[in-house]
Amino acid sequence: QAVLTQPASLSASPGASASLTCTLRSGINVGTYSIYWYQQKPGSPLQYLLRYRSDSDKQQGSGVPSRFSGSKDASANVGILLISGLQSEDEADYYCAIWHSSAWVFGGGTKLTVL
Amino acid sequence: EVQLVESGGGLVQPGGSLRLSCVASGFTFSYYEMHWVRQAPGKGLEWVSYINSADSTVYYADSVKGRFTISRDNGKNSLYLQMNNLRAEDTAVYYCARDDPGPGGGIDYWGPGTLVTVSS
Repeated sequence: QAVLTQPASLSASPGASASLTCTLRSGINVGTYSIYWYQQKPGSPLQYLLRYRSDSDKQQGSGVPSRFSGSKDASANVGILLISGLQSEDEADYYCAIWHSSAWVFGGGTKLTVL
Repeated sequence: EVQLVESGGGLVQPGGSLRLSCVASGFTFSYYEMHWVRQAPGKGLEWVSYINSADSTVYYADSVKGRFTISRDNGKNSLYLQMNNLRAEDTAVYYCARDDPGPGGGIDYWGPGTLVTVSS
């Protein structure tokens, strides 16, 4: 079982909100990790969006709009990237990551389609 | 403006070697931990290696341990990845990435990548 699992794809309408999930493997407690989120668009460098550990310990990437936010669902052992007010430019691949056992571990990525 | 620019990719035969370079600018390179991360065609991200700011601690993914060597030259603002005994499964775009030394850390900037193709 992968350390981080993301749904392969998600579709949402312009103006709506999208919740992208990152499920941690059983035995790896989301509460003890910062979850990092990255955006990848074709032809552009990967962009750091944000880090979320808790409401009191979080960081927004430089220049990243506030409509990108992070959260956790401890009961489901999940990290969440919420994108509100979806725009066509948000169509991209999104990756979550954690620093685990002296290595970066990435989720498989979610392709977000805005249509 | 933070910039990371990789070079050194190309086509190499299985069993061959390549040395990737990453030149950093727009920040004090010697203060930052650095990583190499790769992405096979059409696939997700895979972390490859880490080096601390003082070049005294390194980590590797199991998939490259014993074949790849990460290093840096703080005087030249440069990061390197020596790749030996390359395999077809090493084919990927290789990204140089900066790790924020602040609280929480994390990769905060990426280069555009350099493509490595291992094929006969």
